[in-house]
Amino acid sequence: GDSVTQMEGPVTLSEEAFLTINCTYTATGYPSLFWYVQYPGEGLQLLLKATKADDKGSNKGFEATYRKETTSFHLEKGSVQVSDSAVYFCALRDTGGFKTIFGAGTRLFVKA
Amino acid sequence: DVKVTQSSRYLVKRTGEKVFLECVQDMDHENMFWYRQDPGLGLRLIYFSYDVKMKEKGDIPEGYSVSREKKERFSLILESASTNQTSMYLCASSLSGADYGYTFGSGTRLTVV
Repeated sequence: GDSVTQMEGPVTLSEEAFLTINCTYTATGYPSLFWYVQYPGEGLQLLLKATKADDKGSNKGFEATYRKETTSFHLEKGSVQVSDSAVYFCALRDTGGFKTIFGAGTRLFVKA
Repeated sequence: DVKVTQSSRYLVKRTGEKVFLECVQDMDHENMFWYRQDPGLGLRLIYFSYDVKMKEKGDIPEGYSVSREKKERFSLILESASTNQTSMYLCASSLSGADYGYTFGSGTRLTVV
């Protein structure tokens, strides 16, 4: 079945450092791919998405490109802030499906 | 601002009680979902509904039921609460189709004592 694998955390960075969180997927169809963010004590929020191969999703300085050839959707940000500290979830939603498959989440700590 | 509202942020219930968790969305979304989130186990789907009065079991439906009598409301019912149902419960909604992401509520932290 479909699955999402993302790098284990926690990831600890200093403010203004470059961020990459790796995500790979397996899917039989042509899924859409998503990144969600969860701040402490809150529900998940949709951060960005890409609906087809080579699409780039972006929001709040975060970016991810849908790479069909490597089945990847890595999250990047050029300069992280303390306020980016959160848990990040990679996810896919397959065509014709109602459900979304979530990765295990990667916790990010950003130090001032 | 569009939103998904969960009726309680924190709830404490006794073992054996029947517990109702309510979720309301104001976006006219067809699909609604209930997840539980536990440390080390990630998000696990309990039940979902793709339309009014429709429901489907997710990955861990045992001990739970759901009700969707109106499009905007999706209720999760713990028939007889047990301590292993202590968890964070997250409700989400979306439009139908792979291109659409979910909108989540803020969660209900349920403790069963």
